[in-house]
Amino acid sequence: GQNIDQPTEMTATEGAIVQINCTYQTSGFNGLFWYQQHAGEAPTFLSYNVLDGLEEKGRFSSFLSRSKGYSYLLLKELQMKDSASYLCAVRSGMDSSYKLIFGSGTRLLVRP
Amino acid sequence: DSGVTQTPKHLITATGQRVTLRCSPRSGDLSVYWYQQSLDQGLQFLIHYYNGEERAKGNILERFSAQQFPDLHSELNLSSLELGDSALYFCASRSSHSTEAFFGQGTRLTVV
Repeated sequence: GQNIDQPTEMTATEGAIVQINCTYQTSGFNGLFWYQQHAGEAPTFLSYNVLDGLEEKGRFSSFLSRSKGYSYLLLKELQMKDSASYLCAVRSGMDSSYKLIFGSGTRLLVRP
Repeated sequence: DSGVTQTPKHLITATGQRVTLRCSPRSGDLSVYWYQQSLDQGLQFLIHYYNGEERAKGNILERFSAQQFPDLHSELNLSSLELGDSALYFCASRSSHSTEAFFGQGTRLTVV
């Protein structure tokens, strides 16, 4: 089975840094994704980690520890437009049988 | 624009009815995934098709079925609709060479 946990909601201040954690238990782990989703819109890809360590992409960074079943998304220099849900998703399977299972998402509110 | 097209954008129907949701993947993408997202919930994986074949099933109800056609578009059929089936239904596609899945804008289904 698969279990993915994220905090339900977080609040942060414009210009600050926020870290959104994700823990997972899954069989056949083959990578972890972070997606951003504004209310009522499609999720959009932010990052992908398959090896341990930090991946940096502009204001967003994502970290993975496979031994701990743990990832985080770090958002720097927060902007009001970053208010959205952030979805952690685990990939299992290979190639044509690849499956992507999502956590419930963390709703981030950025305040002025 | 992700390149994934879903129709219709909105659908209102009565309980007990049957509807068909359509997804056109990005050009050349062989994989199509269907997800259900109820209000303030995470994305629930329903089913994955690859090049016309079912590859993985999630928590998909027996009242729901899907298929992928030779031109790679996919349809999700929902029958004997209940109020609880009201949700956003997303389709995502992925190419064999990519780790990232791209999401359509979703179909908002309201069952009254």
